[in-house]
Amino acid sequence: DAKTTQPNSMESNEEEPVHLPCNHSTISGTDYIHWYRQLPSQGPEYVIHGLTSNVNNRMASLAIAEDRKSSTLILHRATLRDAAVYYCILGGWGAQKLVFGQGTRLTINP
Amino acid sequence: SAVISQKPSRDICQRGTSLTIQCQVDSQVTMMFWYRQQPGQSLTLIATANQGSEATYESGFVIDKFPISRPNLTFSTLTVSNMSPEDSSIYLCSVQLPGQGNEQYFGPGTRLTVT
Repeated sequence: DAKTTQPNSMESNEEEPVHLPCNHSTISGTDYIHWYRQLPSQGPEYVIHGLTSNVNNRMASLAIAEDRKSSTLILHRATLRDAAVYYCILGGWGAQKLVFGQGTRLTINP
Repeated sequence: SAVISQKPSRDICQRGTSLTIQCQVDSQVTMMFWYRQQPGQSLTLIATANQGSEATYESGFVIDKFPISRPNLTFSTLTVSNMSPEDSSIYLCSVQLPGQGNEQYFGPGTRLTVT
């Protein structure tokens, strides 16, 4: 499984944008980039995924580098509810198996 | 999307005993997964449970320790057998819906403490 590298923790302020980086230099051509997050005392929840182009949904945006060796999850306006551990995971379409790294623990200050 | 429930939500068990965790989904799914999350750690896949076939276990996990049943398309159980304190973890099930790529939906987890 291709490996991802994320900062252990990040901190931001409420109502400000947050950029969560992920490095994946060994990504293969068929790997999708997925982001999940785990709120305190809950199971992980899907956030977004992409292959080559930048993606937007109601939760976040995903910016993918042109060489695909890194990506950034963007929360446009953080709220206290966005405090969670964010996981960047690589996998082929329908590959099913999710390999979770240590993720980034995001703290949001009021 | 899918709504997943797990029972029990938490339990405290004595070493040497076994606990069966139930996972119920509100729709029919082919793929169900069981994960373990040890204290302060990330999630680790235990096994994949397909309806009508034997579960597929990841390296480091064996059927004798973590037997899994998958009697139908909406239900699965994971048993943690002959428990030791090292089995204290959160156990989560997840499902993958057809045609939705790698998007998985997770249950709330079962917090197990072994004394």
